[in-house]
Amino acid sequence: SQQGEEDPQALSIQEGENATMNCSYKTSINNLQWYRQNSGRGLVHLILIRSNEREKHSGRLRVTLDTSKKSSSLLITASRAADTASYFCATDASGSARQLTFGSGTQLTVLP
Amino acid sequence: SAVISQKPSRDICQRGTSLTIQCQVDSQVTMMFWYRQQPGQSLTLIATANQGSEATYESGFVIDKFPISRPNLTFSTLTVSNMSPEDSSIYLCSVVGVGGNEQFFGPGTRLTVL
Repeated sequence: SQQGEEDPQALSIQEGENATMNCSYKTSINNLQWYRQNSGRGLVHLILIRSNEREKHSGRLRVTLDTSKKSSSLLITASRAADTASYFCATDASGSARQLTFGSGTQLTVLP
Repeated sequence: SAVISQKPSRDICQRGTSLTIQCQVDSQVTMMFWYRQQPGQSLTLIATANQGSEATYESGFVIDKFPISRPNLTFSTLTVSNMSPEDSSIYLCSVVGVGGNEQFFGPGTRLTVL
């Protein structure tokens, strides 16, 4: 079942601007992972943040996690047209055997 | 990260037939999973592929419809049986590496059932 909700469902920005996507979930987690998917292809793993971490960086990506609010955000700075894709969060729930529950996804369009 | 391949990358099938999708990883992994992504939707877990034993299915998915094999630590197959147009989806395998937490996905198999 879909645990997570993401907002916005769609986001359109100009190249060079920052893009922020939010993810909410319902149960306790071991970690939360963010993925990118281009045009219905496979998922590219972007970043994993553990439940005891609050912020993580990778290149132009910044992920935050607030376990008290059961929410996470993904910030892409200085966006590029190539960042146009769908972005999904996925949670690895506490007590699970690594099965992931995915959010509904955000479609990001970066206009040149 | 592990390199994951899936075959076929896409197929168009007739109603009532079956299709077997293969997933191959270039290194030993602890966990392998199969997900489905229906058109315009997010991903839903079908089952955990257990090495040398029956797969563990999620609610709403049954072995008769989606038989899964995992004969070793680097290979798994998913069969979509007695297909109907509602089975048209992207099917993705994923893996968790030894000692890791990150889950990596294969390129997916795009299935269209006519």
